[in-house]
Order: sequence, then C-alpha cells, then structure tokens
Amino acid sequence: EPEVTQTPSHQVTQMGQEVILRCVPISNHLYFYWYRQILGQKVEFLVSFYNNEISEKSEIFDDQFSVERPDGSNFTLKIRSTKLEDSAMYFCASSETPNQPQHFGDGTRLSIL
Amino acid sequence: TQLLEQSPQFLSIQEGENLTVYCNSSSVFSSLQWYRQEPGEGPVLLVTVVTGGEVKKLKRLTFQFGDARKDSSLHITAAQPGDTGLYLCAELREGETSGSRLTFGEGTQLTVNP
Repeated sequence: EPEVTQTPSHQVTQMGQEVILRCVPISNHLYFYWYRQILGQKVEFLVSFYNNEISEKSEIFDDQFSVERPDGSNFTLKIRSTKLEDSAMYFCASSETPNQPQHFGDGTRLSIL
Repeated sequence: TQLLEQSPQFLSIQEGENLTVYCNSSSVFSSLQWYRQEPGEGPVLLVTVVTGGEVKKLKRLTFQFGDARKDSSLHITAAQPGDTGLYLCAELREGETSGSRLTFGEGTQLTVNP
C-alpha cells in the first residue's frame, strides 16, 4: 500500500539554526499537510498546500516557517532560526482531495538543543 | 475554534474486556474521524463518520456518531493486547479556499494487558 515517507526520522539541531524536514507524499495525492505534536500534547495543524500554494495555515505557522514543493515528489517544511519550543514530532500528510482521508507519515522527531 | 474533549484520558484493561471511549465537542462536527497512533508512528485512520446517528463497525470496533453530531464513541469488544495505542478523534473541516485541516482531541491512551 502506498505510504507517506518522511526523512530524517530524528533531527537534532542547535537553537538558532535552520532545519528542513522532508516528505514524499503518496504519488497521486494533490493536497499536502504538516502537523506537529509537542511531547505530551495533541496533534496540531500547521499548514495545508495545494497547487504550489498555501491554502490554509494556523496561527502557529508564522514567518519562521515555510513550505515548498521543490520537485514533483518532495514536500518540505523549513523552520528558520529554531527555538527550544520548536522541539516536537512533525508529521506530513497527503490526500487526494480535501475531504478524502489524510494519510500520515511516521514523523520526524525534531530536537532543538 | 472547535474543541474536542476525549475521555477517559487513560484506560488500562485486561484482555477480553469490553471498553468504550468518548469524543465530545462544543459544537456540531462537520465530519468526524477516529485514528489510532502507536509510539513512533503517525496517526492511522480507522473510520470517518458524517451522518448523525451513524454506526460503523470495523471487526471488533464499533463507532457511533451522536444524533446531534456533537459526540461520538468507540466501543471495542473483547479487547486484545494488539489494540493497545492512542485513540484520537479529529474533526475534518474544509477550508474557505482549498485544502482542509484536521483538529485533533488529546486522545485516549489504551493499554490492554495480557
């Protein structure tokens, strides 16, 4: 069964550095999403992306964050000038249409030191 | 913003027992989904319910959507250790332009002891 893949599985970065989290969505899916889950807290929506544009973003997704589809297969989340509170699991998801099920990757654990 | 409350937060039972977990909202759900998440993995969709009063079954799991579409329950019959995991409910809401977002509850952590 097709799946969403995320790399790396674990990223450790010094505070203030930039990180790029990578995702390969399911190949026939057109809608892409990023969520995060801080340890012990609930999964939170960050952003949705369609047709090379952000379609929705939450209040968490400020100027520190950006997303990009650099080629036909990858979908990335960039976090600039990381802070300690950015430490979390970051999940990528994709779906065929907005109301079809979102399929999640296994996440990238981001640890900011 | 839709607030989803799940109860109980933690549940530990013996193999073979039945259990029910709940998801409640302050307002009407447009579409409700149940997910299961295991450690180190992303959420995996179990079911979507849309219509008030709807009941869906997935093997030993029974999902019910309240008539008023403000609450849902998940009932597991004869629980097995493999059912252990974090059960999440989430509302799927389509955006004003395109795309959609899921709003998750905090989940029920279920442990089934052999």
